[in-house]
Amino acid sequence: AQSVTQLDSQVPVFEEAPVELRCNYSSSVSVYLFWYVQYPNQGLQLLLKYLSGSTLVESINGFEAEFNKSQTSFHLRKPSVHISDTAEYFCAGLNTGFQKLVFGTGTRLLVSP
Amino acid sequence: EAGVTQFPSHSVIEKGQTVTLRCDPISGHDNLYWYRRVMGKEIKFLLHFVKESKQDESGMPNNRFLAERTGGTYSTLKVQPAELEDSGVYFCASSHGQKQFFGPGTRLTVL
Repeated sequence: AQSVTQLDSQVPVFEEAPVELRCNYSSSVSVYLFWYVQYPNQGLQLLLKYLSGSTLVESINGFEAEFNKSQTSFHLRKPSVHISDTAEYFCAGLNTGFQKLVFGTGTRLLVSP
Repeated sequence: EAGVTQFPSHSVIEKGQTVTLRCDPISGHDNLYWYRRVMGKEIKFLLHFVKESKQDESGMPNNRFLAERTGGTYSTLKVQPAELEDSGVYFCASSHGQKQFFGPGTRLTVL
């Protein structure tokens, strides 16, 4: 079955601490991978994507994710989080037909002072 | 450039009633997708339009759900009759390539 797994449903962290949100994908999902973010009371926004090329991709607000083929992972990291990063983060992959997105269950990042 | 818009933002209906959700994609995007997130679970694919044609409707839960995209512009998703388990957030997305742009979602509550 095609799947994307986010093992952590919730990650509490203090402001300015580093964070890693884990994502693993099955081999039946294509290697077109995405992280989406949903801030409170807002819609889904694309945070970053891996389509090809460099395995390390970055967003404009300091997040980065590394595509690791051998470990089938696409973990999201940030060296120092802000209160404003509090949101739910979804890892997703395009199915092998490159049509529909397959999502993980989401990870709620809770940043406290 | 306007993003993907969805209407209504919230809908509360009683079991057995009918509800129609609307999605306006980004202008020029031929691909339009519907997804749904039931409380506490993952966001799941419902169906995919290319212009006015249904490319893939493998995620539609049952025949109480009907999606249309007349003229290849906006799309509607009708649930008739609604059941309790239909409650959730319905997202619409559109794309021109691999990157899908999502709307804010419609939160549907069936009582």
